[in-house]
Amino acid sequence: KQEVTQIPAALSVPEGENLVLNCSFTDSAIYNLQWFRQDPGKGLTSLLLIQSSQREQTSGRLNASLDKSSGRSTLYIAASQPGDSATYLCGNTNAGKSTFGDGTTLTVKP
Amino acid sequence: DGGITQSPKYLFRKEGQNVTLSCEQNLNHDAMYWYRQDPGQGLRLIYYSQIVNDFQKGDIAEGYSVSREKKESFPLTVTSAQKNPTAFYLCASSSGQIITEAFFGQGTRLTVV
Repeated sequence: KQEVTQIPAALSVPEGENLVLNCSFTDSAIYNLQWFRQDPGKGLTSLLLIQSSQREQTSGRLNASLDKSSGRSTLYIAASQPGDSATYLCGNTNAGKSTFGDGTTLTVKP
Repeated sequence: DGGITQSPKYLFRKEGQNVTLSCEQNLNHDAMYWYRQDPGQGLRLIYYSQIVNDFQKGDIAEGYSVSREKKESFPLTVTSAQKNPTAFYLCASSSGQIITEAFFGQGTRLTVV
């Protein structure tokens, strides 16, 4: 059974810092790796989707990479801003059905 | 605007009651999903449906029931058999193909009173 782990569980950084969030999974036979943002009391907003044949995806200040051989994905956030404060979840998505990590709660201090 | 709508946003249930959470999508997606989220935890799959009139149990289906009579609707009923129903419930949809992106609603917070 696929298991997804996210480390660290919480992260606090000063504004402007570049940071990396980690996601590891136990079964390398994945189809997609999707990163989401969740604000308190809200649903999940899709940030990036990396197909299994891809190694990375970029959107603005966000860059996500996927290394199936090591079972890892990273989300890189450049020049962090207070508005980036949220919980970030990764999900191993197969036909839309996902196994999620517990998330990393990011706080960016002004 | 295309998207997924969950209602209500907040729901209160008395002990022994069944309650139904609504999920509607206008994305023309074949597949729909229900997840449960508890504080500080990730999402756990309750039920999913990849086509109308068909659905499968997820990891924590006990105490829940669903129906999929229409492509755009996938209601979740939390029955009295669910002993710890207080949680945040999220509905999602996708095209149902292997390489596909999942989209989520804004969630329903259910509280037992």
